[in-house]
Amino acid sequence: GQQVMQIPQYQHVQEGEDFTTYCNSSTTLSNIQWYKQRPGGHPVFLIQLVKSGEVKKQKRLTFQFGEAKKNSSLHITATQTTDVGTYFCAGRHSGGYQKVTFGTGTKLQVIP
Amino acid sequence: EPEVTQTPSHQVTQMGQEVILRCVPISNHLYFYWYRQILGQKVEFLVSFYNNEISEKSEIFDDQFSVERPDGSNFTLKIRSTKLEDSAMYFCASSEERFATYEQYFGPGTRLTVT
Repeated sequence: GQQVMQIPQYQHVQEGEDFTTYCNSSTTLSNIQWYKQRPGGHPVFLIQLVKSGEVKKQKRLTFQFGEAKKNSSLHITATQTTDVGTYFCAGRHSGGYQKVTFGTGTKLQVIP
Repeated sequence: EPEVTQTPSHQVTQMGQEVILRCVPISNHLYFYWYRQILGQKVEFLVSFYNNEISEKSEIFDDQFSVERPDGSNFTLKIRSTKLEDSAMYFCASSEERFATYEQYFGPGTRLTVT
């Protein structure tokens, strides 16, 4: 079946350090979404990438979609304690279906 | 800002009992979803619903599960005979069909505990 893996599973950083999580799909994706889930909370949509090689920025967050549309990354510059949470990528597989497959998630802990 | 709501926030039930989880999607959204998340694990797709019928479902969504949109605003997930392994957080989500963008808005979830 379709699998979406993320690395690392956990990341502890000092406040102010950068953070990157990587997402890899076993199959080509039509688009990829990123979500953030705070501890005890629900997933909150961050962004969607559609085009091969696309790069989008949201303040300190930079999202990339790979050329082959099978991988993606999220980079946070100068982490803050408010960045704490689990970051999930979610891939929509080619074929125009509604189903998204969530990645395994990267749990970020920021040490003040 | 419009939001997805879910009730109850926590449901405790005995194994073998039926449960119904309720959701009110955002009013102008057309696609509805159920996901589950076992504690500490990833979010798993269960089912998507559009135009009053299931559009996709996962292997998890077996005959014990059903969904319904009974009155044009509520969207429900029924588990007919709960098992211990059904214990999880269940999230409802909705999305607006807008070009090729299907960003999903999640509700706060219902924590289901099967004893």
